[in-house]
Amino acid sequence: DADVTQTPRNRITKTGKRIMLECSQTKGHDRMYWYRQDPGLGLQLIYYSFDVKDINKGEISDGYSVSRQAQAKFSLSLESAIPNQTALYFCATTGQDTDTQYFGPGTRLTVL
Amino acid sequence: GENVEQHPSTLSVQEGDSAVIKCTYSDSASNYFPWYKQELGKGPQLIIDIRSNVGEKKDQRIAVTLNKTAKHFSLHITETQPEDSAVYFCAASTTGPFPGGGADGLTFGKGTHLIIQP
Repeated sequence: DADVTQTPRNRITKTGKRIMLECSQTKGHDRMYWYRQDPGLGLQLIYYSFDVKDINKGEISDGYSVSRQAQAKFSLSLESAIPNQTALYFCATTGQDTDTQYFGPGTRLTVL
Repeated sequence: GENVEQHPSTLSVQEGDSAVIKCTYSDSASNYFPWYKQELGKGPQLIIDIRSNVGEKKDQRIAVTLNKTAKHFSLHITETQPEDSAVYFCAASTTGPFPGGGADGLTFGKGTHLIIQP
């Protein structure tokens, strides 16, 4: 089984809709991250969390919010989706004894 | 904040030849430099990393070099094979002195599409 899972894998939605992307990890790590990937732009950090009580904004947090429901779960929400939020979204996790970030398979989001 | 530049954006090499991808970073406080490989439809996967107290690191056909003075680091792949075809990303971050010391997220380069020609 995959260490980091993301649901849904693909989602098409309309402008103005609220949408939630979910991430779960089974590695027992405390740190979780959300990144956005656009063609030709690499990955950009949206939010990160060091534990369930610690949430931090990344470089592109505007228009997004997150919830750390448990150590293993970290959700990303778009309160009112807009077309320029069409992208690939990746969740990642790392632990206290490693620098390696383990990425999920990604969610492809299309906002019409 | 940190800014990471990566070149080239596309690299085509003959199978068996070497490939080199270069990155520069701006924040002298960055001390951790991983390289990720992303295959189509998958998330990035770490292939090698280096900390700022080391100048070079090798793992079989893959090596990474770091020049702290010039703030640049490079990925070297020797004896390239078809399965090396993918997008490669460099990244930088500031962590503690030991693994897991507190990475505030990675700053990525824009990626290099490596094509291995048969």
